[in-house]
Amino acid sequence: KQEVTQIPAALSVPEGENLVLNCSFTDSAIYNLQWFRQDPGKGLTSLLLIQSSQREQTSGRLNASLDKSSGRSTLYIAASQPGDSATYLCAVLRQTGANNLFFGTGTRLTVIP
Amino acid sequence: GAVVSQHPSWVICKSGTSVKIECRSLDFQATTMFWYRQFPKQSLMLMATSNEGSKATYEQGVEKDKFLINHASLTLSTLTVTSAHPEDSSFYICSARRPGLTDTQYFGPGTRLTVL
Repeated sequence: KQEVTQIPAALSVPEGENLVLNCSFTDSAIYNLQWFRQDPGKGLTSLLLIQSSQREQTSGRLNASLDKSSGRSTLYIAASQPGDSATYLCAVLRQTGANNLFFGTGTRLTVIP
Repeated sequence: GAVVSQHPSWVICKSGTSVKIECRSLDFQATTMFWYRQFPKQSLMLMATSNEGSKATYEQGVEKDKFLINHASLTLSTLTVTSAHPEDSSFYICSARRPGLTDTQYFGPGTRLTVL
């Protein structure tokens, strides 16, 4: 069974810092990997989606990388802002079988003004 | 972009009553929708996969008679929590799969259920 782990569970950084969030998964047979943002008590906002054949995706200050063979992905946030404070979830889509997402445990990010 | 709505956004009910949550894909047809549950400070756990026109597929440990899922049309799936108990209090989130090259799932805003 696919297991997705995110480290660290929580992270606090001063405004302006660059930071990296980590995601690891046990089964490399994935179709794609997504990074989501979740604000307290809210639903999910998709940030970046990386297909299994891709190495990275960029959107604004966000850059996500994927190393399928080692079962790892990172989300890089440049020049962090207080508005970036949220929980970040990574999720993988299996290559075969039911097309449901396996979610990681999440990283709760706090950017201090 | 694709939009998925959920209704209601929050609901408070008495123990023993049933609650229905709707999930709609507003601008695309979704043959498959998913229902997730999220407890405080935990990640999303898949409850069931809802397929249009057929029975839902439930994950291990999820009672199908307690969590009734109906996917009667290509844009609507409903989750009914029957005989709700306080331990059913949670955040329920649905997603709709948009067929295509990336098979992207689009998530609803979630429904906060509180059972007194």
